[in-house]
Amino acid sequence: DAKTTQPPSMDCAEGRAANLPCNHSTISGNEYVYWYRQIHSQGPQYIIHGLKNNETNEMASLIITEDRKSSTLILPHATLRDTAVYYCIVRVAPGSARQLTFGSGTQLTVLP
Amino acid sequence: NAGVTQTPKFRILKIGQSMTLQCAQDMNHNYMYWYRQDPGMGLKLIYYSVGAGITDKGEVPNGYNVSRSTTEDFPLRLELAAPSQTSVYFCASSYGPGLAGNTIYFGEGSWLTVV
Repeated sequence: DAKTTQPPSMDCAEGRAANLPCNHSTISGNEYVYWYRQIHSQGPQYIIHGLKNNETNEMASLIITEDRKSSTLILPHATLRDTAVYYCIVRVAPGSARQLTFGSGTQLTVLP
Repeated sequence: NAGVTQTPKFRILKIGQSMTLQCAQDMNHNYMYWYRQDPGMGLKLIYYSVGAGITDKGEVPNGYNVSRSTTEDFPLRLELAAPSQTSVYFCASSYGPGLAGNTIYFGEGSWLTVV
């Protein structure tokens, strides 16, 4: 199972880009990189996912290195409402089905 | 389309009591999951189901039971509640297996305190 490593916390100024790194050096060829976030006291919210290519949607961009050993989630113009814990996930939990296991994530604080 | 609905949102239990957390989804998803999240920690998988009639243990199944009699419902049963089960419980669902290009949708959580 691939393990992810994220910094425990980051700050970002409001209106600036937030770049959240994730290391997943043991990722398998068929595993996707997923990003979720959890705003305080709410259920996790899907942000974006990718396999090999960079991806962009209305919330964020995902940059995956060519060797797929790391990725970066980019929130282009962070707002105060983006303050949350961000989870990078590629690990497979025990069981026949491939499930998501959430680690500790990165606490992003957007500062006014 | 309500997504994933959990009830109750808050509950206080006494040690040794039992209860069931209800979870329903209206997206016709095959996969359903129960996670728990302790304060300041990540989510841990308790049980999951790949379809009606099929369930399997996750990372922390002890003290819990589940059933999946229909596609829509996936209740989590706590037997003989213990203080260690004080946590926030999240139910989730997805069309296919996670990590295979399928997004997982989460409910809003159920706060359980055992005293």
